[in-house]
Parts: sequence; C-alpha cells; structure tokens
Amino acid sequence: TQLLEQSPQFLSIQEGENLTVYCNSSSVFSSLQWYRQEPGEGPVLLVTVVTGGEVKKLKRLTFQFGDARKDSSLHITAAQPGDTGLYLCAGVITSGANNLFFGTGTRLTVIP
Amino acid sequence: DAGVIQSPRHEVTEMGQEVTLRCKPISGHNSLFWYRQTMMRGLELLIYFNNNVPIDDSGMPEDRFSAKMPNASFSTLKIQPSEPRDSAVYFCASSLTRGGAQYFGPGTRLTVL
Repeated sequence: TQLLEQSPQFLSIQEGENLTVYCNSSSVFSSLQWYRQEPGEGPVLLVTVVTGGEVKKLKRLTFQFGDARKDSSLHITAAQPGDTGLYLCAGVITSGANNLFFGTGTRLTVIP
Repeated sequence: DAGVIQSPRHEVTEMGQEVTLRCKPISGHNSLFWYRQTMMRGLELLIYFNNNVPIDDSGMPEDRFSAKMPNASFSTLKIQPSEPRDSAVYFCASSLTRGGAQYFGPGTRLTVL
C-alpha cells in the first residue's frame, strides 16, 4: 500500500493544453515536495510546500497544498513538450524527520 | 559544483554474482539515501544514513542487500548474490537538511541475467 497515491498514472496531451495532476493521502504531512524526472536521469526538485492551503507558482506550473496537508495538486498551463516526464510528489510525515515518502508517479507526455 | 556521483552508470551481470554500486554525495550534505526504481513498484527507499550512520534500513529487501558509508563522501550498496528480480535503476540521493530537498544522482541501471 502506497502512502501517497497520484492520479492519473499516465497522461498524454497535446501541446498547449492544460492539465492537473493529483497527489492524495490519508496521512498528514508536515511538508510536501514535487519532483520531475526525465528519462535516464534522477528526479529533480521543483518545489516544496509547507503550509496548508499554500499555492506556489513556477512559470506555467502551479502547486497547491491542501488545507488539511493531506493532498496536493500540480497544474500546468499551456503544456510544452519540455514538460514531458515523470512527476513525483513526496511528503515528510513528521517535522524534523529525514525520509521522504514518494508517490506512485504521473507519467506525462506532451505531444508537439 | 558537482552533483551526486554514481558509478557505474550501467551494470550487466549474471545471476549469483556480487554487485557493488557506488555513490559520492554532494560535499557538505549529511544525509544519504539509496532508492530502487522499477516500473512496477515505483521509487522505493532502501536505506538512509545521517552523518554516516544507518538510520533506517527497513526498505532493504533481504539479507542479500547491504550498504555502508565509511565516510562522509562515499557510500556503497552491495548485492550478493544477485538475482534477476534485482534488475532496476538504483539511485543515490543526498540532502543538507532534515526533510529537505533531496539531490539525486543519475542512477545505476542494473540488469541481472
């Protein structure tokens, strides 16, 4: 059983479309991180959200942490082929803990 | 600055052979993590170290797996004997702060025939 479930598992869209990826859990997290992984490489951190309800923007990417700190979403506006990759959410259960619990991942393909 | 360095990048071996994966974390980072990634199971934490001390090895699949961190700049993950089901990409990551961003290496793609 995965602590963090992501949906959808796979997503294939046309360039220019918008999309939202979800990261859900029944557990409360002190913080949550989003990573993107490209083929043949390790995951790279995109953003960290800490406060319930927090919204962070990174160019065309908008990240939101749920009010109860149990879920998060990633919205991409006007997707580009360069957005293609595996998106992973990862949460810290207890403040001060060291290990991250990674989600199941969403594999995004943006078709030119 | 150099990122996390892993070697080898690719390893092909036969069942029953010993495999050693190597990792050099980012200088100054005091936490090091070993992960395994497969299509079926996603990214799994195997073990992590704080200040060179193993803290949680509950993710290590079985006694065939062992990890060491003899100093702050080097860690190894050893599989002996290897089995075909060990085929996966193995990542090493390091972090500066507890619960903070993790910086991943490029991974080692292991194939056990």
